[in-house]
Amino acid sequence: KAGVTQTPRYLIKTRGQQVTLSCSPISGHRSVSWYQQTPGQGLQFLFEYFSETQRNKGNFPGRFSGRQFSNSRSEMNVSTLELGDSALYLCASSYGTVENEAFFGQGTRLTVV
Amino acid sequence: AQTVTQSQPEMSVQEAETVTLSCTYDTSESDYYLFWYKQPPSRQMILVIRQEAYKQQNATENRFSVNFQKAAKSFSLKISDSQLGDAAMYFCAYRSVVTGANSKLTFGKGITLSVRP
Repeated sequence: KAGVTQTPRYLIKTRGQQVTLSCSPISGHRSVSWYQQTPGQGLQFLFEYFSETQRNKGNFPGRFSGRQFSNSRSEMNVSTLELGDSALYLCASSYGTVENEAFFGQGTRLTVV
Repeated sequence: AQTVTQSQPEMSVQEAETVTLSCTYDTSESDYYLFWYKQPPSRQMILVIRQEAYKQQNATENRFSVNFQKAAKSFSLKISDSQLGDAAMYFCAYRSVVTGANSKLTFGKGITLSVRP
């Protein structure tokens, strides 16, 4: 069974630009969650999508948005990039119930210059 | 809101020895899940072990076991017979069972474990 796939693995963007990250979950998984990992703040929850609906949201500004498609693939978009958005962005997929384990991808390393 | 605290930023262990990683958490909920995740240099988070709060028995997975003290809100990870491949960052995490909040993992800051050959 293929794991969670995140693309691209690395990105370099300029301040003010926007970026879109992609996450393909494990086949059959309907839930995709996104996390931001930085040395200072650690791992922080961004949002979760289940069956194309945002089910939970963390405390991030509106510049961070996401969506989920009918095949459960998810995209995360960050607009008007700031230097502080430089981070490792991880996505995790699961079947979506509380008993189910979340499986993580290898992340996308975003650098904003 | 729940919080997870890992107060030791780094630890080191001799190969084949035993090491214990500490974690405390704060919650007002009576039922929840606790996890230990491993993040090697490849960056992929890997689930090591999980504990359901309503279960009294401590979880065990091969060389990994936990000491879950619900009243003290403590959740430590013991790694026995440490191997070089255990070197990684380890995160303690909490997940609520409350509908609408149970998709979110709350992580501690992590601890970097090094294994000396």
